[in-house]
Amino acid sequence: DQQVKQNSPSLSVQEGRISILNCDYTNSMFDYFLWYKKYPAEGPTFLISISSIKDKNEDGRFTVFLNKSAKHLSLHIVPSQPGDSAVYFCAATDSGTYKYIFGTGTRLKVLA
Amino acid sequence: GEEVAQTPKHLVRGEGQKAKLYCAPIKGHSYVFWYQQVLKNEFKFLISFQNENVFDETGMPKERFSAKCLPNSPCSLEIQATKLEDSAVYFCASSPTIVSGVQPQHFGDGTRLSIL
Repeated sequence: DQQVKQNSPSLSVQEGRISILNCDYTNSMFDYFLWYKKYPAEGPTFLISISSIKDKNEDGRFTVFLNKSAKHLSLHIVPSQPGDSAVYFCAATDSGTYKYIFGTGTRLKVLA
Repeated sequence: GEEVAQTPKHLVRGEGQKAKLYCAPIKGHSYVFWYQQVLKNEFKFLISFQNENVFDETGMPKERFSAKCLPNSPCSLEIQATKLEDSAVYFCASSPTIVSGVQPQHFGDGTRLSIL
């Protein structure tokens, strides 16, 4: 049973435009969500996170939105840059266990 | 160090042999996590430690898999009598002491285990 889902395996965006990556979850016990970026042959790199008590968190070009009632979060990257091309994973956890449940990733390609 | 260091980068074993993977967490981090990535994109949680104590082992297969984090030594994940299905990339992550909320986990670059 996939508790965290990223339904778009891939996304292509023009340089300078907005990239929107989506993630859905089913477990209402999750209270913390994170986005990681991964290049081939490297480990995931932390990008941005959000607590369930918030609905938005912003860090530079990256903004994460959380809709608790819909059990949905999204990552917005504005403006997108070619260096953003990577696989993006969303992860969810609850503050009791700290273990991450990952989505299956979305491969973002930013075209120059 | 400032990075999670995993060794070796790649490990090849024949089916039935033992495999041992190592992880040095970031200095000062008290939590260590192991994940298994199969089929390229699926991460599966295996086990976590708080210092040298097992914190959560709900993801560990009951047989053949064991892990340790001993003081002044790298953490280790050992697989006895390996099977073809154990072929995967094993990631280690560490995080600081969690005072409130959740601290992001910092990942190493993984060990690719190939069982032939």
